[in-house]
Amino acid sequence: DAGITQSPRYKITETGRQVTLMCHQTWSHSYMFWYRQDLGHGLRLIYYSAAADITDKGEVPDGYVVSRSKTENFPLTLESATRSQTSVYFCASLGGDFIRDTQYFGPGTRLTVL
Amino acid sequence: TQLLEQSPQFLSIQEGENLTVYCNSSSVFSSLQWYRQEPGEGPVLLVTVVTGGEVKKLKRLTFQFGDARKDSSLHITAAQPGDTGLYLCAGPRSNDYKLSFGAGTTVTVRA
Repeated sequence: DAGITQSPRYKITETGRQVTLMCHQTWSHSYMFWYRQDLGHGLRLIYYSAAADITDKGEVPDGYVVSRSKTENFPLTLESATRSQTSVYFCASLGGDFIRDTQYFGPGTRLTVL
Repeated sequence: TQLLEQSPQFLSIQEGENLTVYCNSSSVFSSLQWYRQEPGEGPVLLVTVVTGGEVKKLKRLTFQFGDARKDSSLHITAAQPGDTGLYLCAGPRSNDYKLSFGAGTTVTVRA
């Protein structure tokens, strides 16, 4: 299917466990982003990538790791999950012109850390 | 502190009424975007405004970018239940592709 997909859609884990959230886009967009959404905060940028093998930190990167070995995939790893990382995570991609082009969002992964 | 402040936080109106959502900042933005998000889904872009004073219309939705490019508003005329959702404004933190989002306005339109 064309578009941007995330897996899993729901995940429950325990404090201290490693968790990886997957993101896949079929458009070959250069830019990809990870956001978390919490009540009262809107969406906050965790990490972003301008191309394969190029990643950089956003507003709230602590406790997260990303990689981008292929253009279409941008996994987000929580190395040792904490309760404060309970959130809804959205992946997004952007083709090129950040003003004229659309940033497309995936359906989200709801993560609960017990 | 949010770079972009949205108001009100919640809005509940009857079908057929009008509503306005505001997005304000102390910073100047090169552009501002408005998104709508429905439960269980990701945000979907509605519009991008680029020029100070710009007004864009999308059917019953009217978007305005302030002259000083520090604020924006979204006005919905004759709201329908299908307009229910979380409305988010967003703008580039600097002149690049990284967006900063407001906390959102939850709009509920009752039939």
